[in-house]
Amino acid sequence: SQTIHQWPATLVQPVGSPLSLECTVEGTSNPNLYWYRQAAGRGLQLLFYSVGIGQISSEVPQNLSASRPQDRQFILSSKKLLLSDSGFYLCAWSLGQGPSPLHFGNGTRLTVT
Amino acid sequence: SQKIEQNSEALNIQEGKTATLTCNYTNYSPAYLQWYRQDPGRGPVFLLLIRENEKEKRKERLKVTFDTTLKQSLFHITASQPADSATYLCALSLNSGYSTLTFGKGTMLLVSP
Repeated sequence: SQTIHQWPATLVQPVGSPLSLECTVEGTSNPNLYWYRQAAGRGLQLLFYSVGIGQISSEVPQNLSASRPQDRQFILSSKKLLLSDSGFYLCAWSLGQGPSPLHFGNGTRLTVT
Repeated sequence: SQKIEQNSEALNIQEGKTATLTCNYTNYSPAYLQWYRQDPGRGPVFLLLIRENEKEKRKERLKVTFDTTLKQSLFHITASQPADSATYLCALSLNSGYSTLTFGKGTMLLVSP
């Protein structure tokens, strides 16, 4: 069966520090991969998605970047964190081009101080 | 601009009753709609998907309706249980090919014994 791993679960980082969040999927090949952010009182905001290795689409301009170095690995990065980067970051995967469900990881709670 | 609206106020109901949650959208012509459940501190979990040409979809105690004229989806939980307490999110996709999902902010459901 397919599983998604996301780490760390919680993270406290000072303003201006770098960030690297990692997500890996097991049990499937060529998944679509996504990074979402959920800020307090707000909905899920799509940050990046990828339909294949090296293919990254950005949904919103921001202080973050994403990379997909391997088929089932998706990384969210920042060179210098801002206070506004605080939030709940969720990685997800889906299959194919049709209306398939998203399968989410358990998220990383990031607090920028 | 495109909007997805879910009731921001929590829905409080008694165990055994039917819970009905609403998802309204404007300036969309979605090809399909999905409902997810999210528990505190966890990633959303997929529940049901309904296509634009479907009026109703059922799964055990869950029922979803999709009215493209009213631009509304209703999500019903019959014989509700305290374990159904969670936040429920609706999400839309604009076409039946590859398309990203846009999420509403969700409605919290509280089922009391």
